[in-house]
Amino acid sequence: AQSVTQLGSHVSVSEGALVLLRCNYSSSVPPYLFWYVQYPNQGLQLLLKYTSAATLVKGINGFEAEFKKSETSFHLTKPSAHMSDAAEYFCAVSRDSGYALNFGKGTSLLVTP
Amino acid sequence: NAGVTQTPKFRVLKTGQSMTLLCAQDMNHEYMYWYRQDPGMGLRLIHYSVGEGTTAKGEVPDGYNVSRLKKQNFLLGLESAAPSQTSVYFCASSYTAGGRAFQETQYFGPGTRLLVL
Repeated sequence: AQSVTQLGSHVSVSEGALVLLRCNYSSSVPPYLFWYVQYPNQGLQLLLKYTSAATLVKGINGFEAEFKKSETSFHLTKPSAHMSDAAEYFCAVSRDSGYALNFGKGTSLLVTP
Repeated sequence: NAGVTQTPKFRVLKTGQSMTLLCAQDMNHEYMYWYRQDPGMGLRLIHYSVGEGTTAKGEVPDGYNVSRLKKQNFLLGLESAAPSQTSVYFCASSYTAGGRAFQETQYFGPGTRLLVL
């Protein structure tokens, strides 16, 4: 079975600081990995995805993630946090069946002035 | 394009009542999904559909039924609501292209908040 673990349910950073949200996956086959963002009272929006092409994936709003097979990780980063980045972030992996996603429990990002 | 829409946005039910949540998408997507989101649990798949007239169980299907009579609509039913079904429900859809399913890129609706008393 494929699953993801997000380390840290809450992360707080100062505006302008580096954002690092951690995600580790468990998969018996090369996975598809995703980061989604959920702003307050909204649905989920795809930030970026890894589909076995380049290991460094660039997404929207200045976010990027690097697939590291040796570490089974897919951490999300952004060099400089903005107040508008405050949201819930979900890491996800494609299921064995290929029909749906397994989501992590989410990391709430707080950006302080 | 409205994308994925959900009706209603918010609902309060009493234990034992029934209701249907409607999801509609105007992107001609083949695949549709229902998830529930609970604090600290992330999103969990309830049911999904890979095409009109077909449905399948997800991770937490008990207490729910679904129907996909039209390609653009995916209905989630609660026959006898329980307090444990208090949650935020999200519908999502995904597409195929060139015969390959891009089900991993899912488009989400804004959610339905359900409170069961």
